[in-house]
Amino acid sequence: QVQLVQSGTEIKKPGSSVKVTCKASGGTLSRKTISWVRQAPGQGLEWMGRIIPTLGQTNYAQKFQGRGTIIADRSTSTAYMGLSSLRSEDTAVYYCVLTDGSGNSHWGQGTLVTVSS
Amino acid sequence: FILTQPHSVSESPGKTVTISCTGSGGSIASNYVQWYQQRPGSAPTTVIFENNQRPSGVPDRFSGSIDTSSNAASLTISGLKTEDEADFYCQSFDASNQNWVFGGGTKLTVL
Repeated sequence: QVQLVQSGTEIKKPGSSVKVTCKASGGTLSRKTISWVRQAPGQGLEWMGRIIPTLGQTNYAQKFQGRGTIIADRSTSTAYMGLSSLRSEDTAVYYCVLTDGSGNSHWGQGTLVTVSS
Repeated sequence: FILTQPHSVSESPGKTVTISCTGSGGSIASNYVQWYQQRPGSAPTTVIFENNQRPSGVPDRFSGSIDTSSNAASLTISGLKTEDEADFYCQSFDASNQNWVFGGGTKLTVL
């Protein structure tokens, strides 16, 4: 069974950058995609982008183009999400989501990123 | 492509509830629809993928369907239990770029 373990809580200053880690266990990243979804306090889910690790292909929601970076290391089954020029509105829980070859999606436990001066 | 869900629904234990997810700006049948359950303080989990498929471990009380006439997807939960109380989100894809699109979420209260 696929399990995703994310890195811990981050507290960042406005204007800085953050990198969140997501390590997959229970299989390789072959024939899978990894998406990143965030949820601001009390709000709904917002898709940020995805990567197809075997191709290195990425797609970003327009809102995060130029500010977001998603990469994957197949050798360690780890994905990373970076977000730069942080502002208070980026305060949210960030989730990695692995979609397997059957179309089922598995979610990480979430990483709280707080942006505050 | 926009997905619209009711803000909240409520029903009694043992009853059946259906949560709708209406598409606009495209056909709901063009791409698969997924449903995620999020209990308070927890990460979302998948309860339905590819319109009507249940992951292992999800009880068959949960079912998904698509209605092209109303351009809507539905999640039906039968034999409601108090543990089903959660926020539910539908998700599909923008046909132009395959980017994910989420509905706004529906709060299910079982009382």
